[in-house]
Amino acid sequence: GAVVSQHPSRVICKSGTSVKIECRSLDFQATTMFWYRQFPKKSLMLMATSNEGSKATYEQGVEKDKFLINHASLTLSTLTVTSAHPEDSSFYICSATRDPAYEQYFGPGTRLTVT
Amino acid sequence: AQSVTQLGSHVSVSEGALVLLRCNYSSSVPPYLFWYVQYPNQGLQLLLKYTTGATLVKGINGFEAEFKKSETSFHLTKPSAHMSDAAEYFCAVIEYGNNRLAFGKGNQVVVIP
Repeated sequence: GAVVSQHPSRVICKSGTSVKIECRSLDFQATTMFWYRQFPKKSLMLMATSNEGSKATYEQGVEKDKFLINHASLTLSTLTVTSAHPEDSSFYICSATRDPAYEQYFGPGTRLTVT
Repeated sequence: AQSVTQLGSHVSVSEGALVLLRCNYSSSVPPYLFWYVQYPNQGLQLLLKYTTGATLVKGINGFEAEFKKSETSFHLTKPSAHMSDAAEYFCAVIEYGNNRLAFGKGNQVVVIP
C-alpha cells in the first residue's frame, strides 16, 4: 500500500509555456500533499504544502503565482509551472500523507526541462 | 526549527565492508526520524523510521539505525555493502506536531568492487 504516482515522469517545454504535473495517491486518501524541488546533487527543498480543499501554503521564497498548486481531491494534487523559464528546469517530487505529522510517501519525480 | 546534519557528501565503501552513514539532528521536542534512499532519476524510498519504542530500528535491504537521544543521532548502518547499495541516502526529521520533513544534504554512496 501507500503508492504515489506522478505524471509525467519527464517533460520538455519551451520557455514561456506552462506545464502541469500531477501527483496521485493510488491506494489511500491523502489529507496533505507536499511538493519538493531537487537540484542536481542537492537535497530536497520543500516548495509548498497543500491540504485538500484549501489553499496551499508556500515556503518562503517560492513564488505562488509561478508555481500554482491545486489539491482538488484527497487523491490528486497538481503543480503548474507557469511561464516556465530555463531556470525552472529541475526534478520535482511530490509526497502524500494520511497524517501530516507522520510518514510521507514519495512519488517517483518529474524531470522538467525548459528550453 | 529542526535541522539535520549529514557529514561527507560522498562516501566510498568496499563491497562487503560496513556501511556507516552519520546523521545528527537538532530538535526541541521528540522527533520522528527517517532514512530514505534515492536511486538516479527516481523518487525517495523509505529505508526505515523511528517514531517511538525500540531505539534500534531495522529496515529494508539489511539496513538498521539506532536512535540515541543523548547524542541526538540516528546513524544508519549495514554490515556488508552490496553493489546495489550505491545510491543517495537522506536522513530526515519531523518534530512531533510539525508537518514539515527537514532533510539532510544527503550522502552519495559509492560501492567499490
